Amino acid sequence: QSALTQPPSASGSPGQSVTISCSGTSSDVGAYDYVSWYQQHPGKAPKLMIYEVSKRPSGVPDRFSGSKSGNTASLTVSGLQAEDEADYYCSSYAGSNEVFGTGTKVTVL
Amino acid sequence: EVQLVQSGAEVKKPGESLRISCQASGYSFTSYWISWVRQMPGKGLEWMGRIDPSDSYTPYSPSFQGHVTISADKSISTAYLQWSSLKASDTAMYYCARLGYRYGQPFAMDVWGQGTTVTVSS
Repeated sequence: QSALTQPPSASGSPGQSVTISCSGTSSDVGAYDYVSWYQQHPGKAPKLMIYEVSKRPSGVPDRFSGSKSGNTASLTVSGLQAEDEADYYCSSYAGSNEVFGTGTKVTVL
Repeated sequence: EVQLVQSGAEVKKPGESLRISCQASGYSFTSYWISWVRQMPGKGLEWMGRIDPSDSYTPYSPSFQGHVTISADKSISTAYLQWSSLKASDTAMYYCARLGYRYGQPFAMDVWGQGTTVTVSS
């Protein structure tokens, strides 16, 4: 089972928006509305930011939003802030299994 | 408070066995799955497998099937990840995470343990 494909890096200035893509297949991203996004700061455990494509857990700012079209999911961070600088991983249910994306390092310029 | 507390860092030699743990508190242990996730130094997250503590059903990622064993003891709300013969390539950080699947639960890994560092070196 191959990892989902994410761009290695993305960047933006404070206040700008950045969108990260997550490309899968018809067996994972395209098959289920169970795409999640995780934020990981250096040396820390991952944190759930988006679940079931577009839902936000309590406490996650509404600057974070998710969407999906076909086999590709996306995470958008609007109004970038310094604390958004981190690694981001998508994940999808794939029928009994889960599969993570390759990860994207977001840099706030 | 809902939390997962993992056992401490381990330093082992190749060929040795190891079991690390993940103790849940603050919620019904049998109402959520527990996933295990590997992160090798400087690398991304890899899903290893999960367990349903209510019946011990345990699907594994093909990449980890046969290399590790996931188990759980619901009497003490604890999940385990174990190796029978460690290799240097098992050196990594290992996380457990709660995964919801029932109606009304987020179908995602919403609570994570703090991670257990495993170092395998001769």
